[in-house]
Amino acid sequence: QVQLQESGPGLVKPSQTLSLTCTVSGGSISRSDYYWSWIRQHPGKGLEWIGYILYSGTTYYNPSLESRVTISVDTSKNQFSLKLSSVTAADTAVYYCARGGPTWYMDVWGKGTTVPISS
Amino acid sequence: QSVLTQPPSASGTPGQRVTISCSGSISNIGSKPVHWYQQLPGTAPKLLIYNNNQRPSGVPDRFSGSKSGASASLAISGLQSEDEAYYYCAAWDDSLKGRGVFGGGTKLTVL
Repeated sequence: QVQLQESGPGLVKPSQTLSLTCTVSGGSISRSDYYWSWIRQHPGKGLEWIGYILYSGTTYYNPSLESRVTISVDTSKNQFSLKLSSVTAADTAVYYCARGGPTWYMDVWGKGTTVPISS
Repeated sequence: QSVLTQPPSASGTPGQRVTISCSGSISNIGSKPVHWYQQLPGTAPKLLIYNNNQRPSGVPDRFSGSKSGASASLAISGLQSEDEAYYYCAAWDDSLKGRGVFGGGTKLTVL
């Protein structure tokens, strides 16, 4: 079955760019009926949707983060990526990648990766 | 402040039926499908209910969802100790150029 795995640096310094990659295994990222999403969860808090990308490269971002977010896809590697610029301590969170269906439900999630923002 | 409103906590004893509410507006629950997620401690969220009342394969029929107007509910019958978790509702919201929104989460305690 389809599995997702996040990867990236364990620590990012303030003002730098956070970069994460999600590797999709057990299925192709190049299916037109799926949305590939990033979601984050601040420590002890609820879930926040960051954005999604289609295999075609079409993106949709949370307006509250849009100015700092870029999501891209590499179909040759079956991966999609997140870049969040100008990070602060407020961006410290667990970051999840997920596969989404047509009505924005997310049926397959990665295990999540904790990204502390600290100097 | 979350766009979708859930009670912060709920509780029940084994075997009981509990419901968790989720309140929104016309721009989200009132016009879009609602989805529910279960998050056990230290794990990623798991899709529990999608499109208001559909269960993914493998989710027990003890879990059910419903929607009326701009509100939705998750019901859990035959409560079990392993149901102790956080539950989140979610929906697409057509305001502010469109965005996905979640409820603040409800901590379910099995007494």
